Amino acid sequence: DAGVIQSPRHEVTEMGQEVTLRCKPISGHNSLFWYRQTMMRGLELLIYFNNNVPIDDSGMPEDRFSAKMPNASFSTLKIQPSEPRDSAVYFCASSLITGENSPLHFGNGTRLTVT
Amino acid sequence: GDSVTQMEGPVTLSEEAFLTINCTYTATGYPSLFWYVQYPGEGLQLLLKATKADDKGSNKGFEATYRKETTSFHLEKGSVQVSDSAVYFCALSDQGGSEKLVFGKGTKLTVNP
Repeated sequence: DAGVIQSPRHEVTEMGQEVTLRCKPISGHNSLFWYRQTMMRGLELLIYFNNNVPIDDSGMPEDRFSAKMPNASFSTLKIQPSEPRDSAVYFCASSLITGENSPLHFGNGTRLTVT
Repeated sequence: GDSVTQMEGPVTLSEEAFLTINCTYTATGYPSLFWYVQYPGEGLQLLLKATKADDKGSNKGFEATYRKETTSFHLEKGSVQVSDSAVYFCALSDQGGSEKLVFGKGTKLTVNP
């Protein structure tokens, strides 16, 4: 049973470049979440989707960040242009929201370094 | 807004020692409370949860009790193992499920043999 799959595991890029992070949620899950983890701020929710529709993007830091979910099995988080302060570990998580408490299943994350 | 405060780490213990990681929260209404664990190089995994006051969540020897009067959800384990070394996150959701989970900053635990 495959879990949440993220790619790439590591990304090193130069300031100003476009970065695209990818996520494949667990099959059958109806919600997908993008989190960012840094030492200073801990885990921050950036955006979440329910049934492929963005529900809350209030955590997206700036217009440089955008996220899409074109279908139930794929999502992307794009940063354009990237800046050094975007360096962090980005996690994707999915869940089956049924009205009861349903746990998040996290991927192993993408470590982004912007130089 | 909602928030979670955890004791700052790192915490270093010897094998078989007793573990407590403190967690307090601020929320409107009656949130659900969670503990997640993150092993090195991996994403977070749900460890245990409690959905109402006085509920006790438990898993793998870990326990936490939802205390509404003290707004706390402290994590405990009677005898830690080296394999428990990880980062532990306390979290809450005021929407009943995984929507908009608010996480604490995490507490790193190292258990030495």
